[in-house]
Amino acid sequence: LAKTTQPISMDSYEGQEVNITCSHNNIATNDYITWYQQFPSQGPRFIIQGYKTKVTNEVASLFIPADRKSSTLSLPRVSLSDTAVYYCLDTDKLIFGTGTRLQVFP
Amino acid sequence: DGGITQSPKYLFRKEGQNVTLSCEQNLNHDAMYWYRQDPGQGLRLIYYSQIVNDFQKGDIAEGYSVSREKKESFPLTVTSAQKNPTAFYLCASSIRMGGLLFYEQYFGPGTRLTVT
Repeated sequence: LAKTTQPISMDSYEGQEVNITCSHNNIATNDYITWYQQFPSQGPRFIIQGYKTKVTNEVASLFIPADRKSSTLSLPRVSLSDTAVYYCLDTDKLIFGTGTRLQVFP
Repeated sequence: DGGITQSPKYLFRKEGQNVTLSCEQNLNHDAMYWYRQDPGQGLRLIYYSQIVNDFQKGDIAEGYSVSREKKESFPLTVTSAQKNPTAFYLCASSIRMGGLLFYEQYFGPGTRLTVT
């Protein structure tokens, strides 16, 4: 099963907006797109989920184009506590890639 | 206080021994999952269960076994046949699995297994 593709790592500074893009080349009609956050030695935590267009909650926004072949997680005004690994996945495939390691600097 | 519990947090075993990792949830979720995570790697699916008394192999099921006799519990046994058992094991649950419906996985705190 092909998994999603996302950058291995990203750096940012406090207060900046961070956008992490994921490729979903094998997404199925019934797959949602879900993003999780993981801190070291902890289980992943749900951030946001969507099917198409834009979804926003209290911590992030998720942009999904019409063809659903990609998704972009947007974290507004990151802080040091946002340093973590971020995973995107096609929900029903249950396949987590290696994730994007976000490092936020002061 | 609802959630998923995994015990113990750290587990040490000698090579050749079977070991069972506990996973319990009180979220009334139908689906439960086991993942393995190696250092610097993503999560890999071992087994999942959509309903009591039913479970399916994931990508790396060899050397592992599970049971789902109760809705709340999904124990994972790491057998001596698993060649590289040392890893971080994560259990998760969701209200359901599949279908064009929203669902998210809730993860436990994990068990770090070391086999020497």
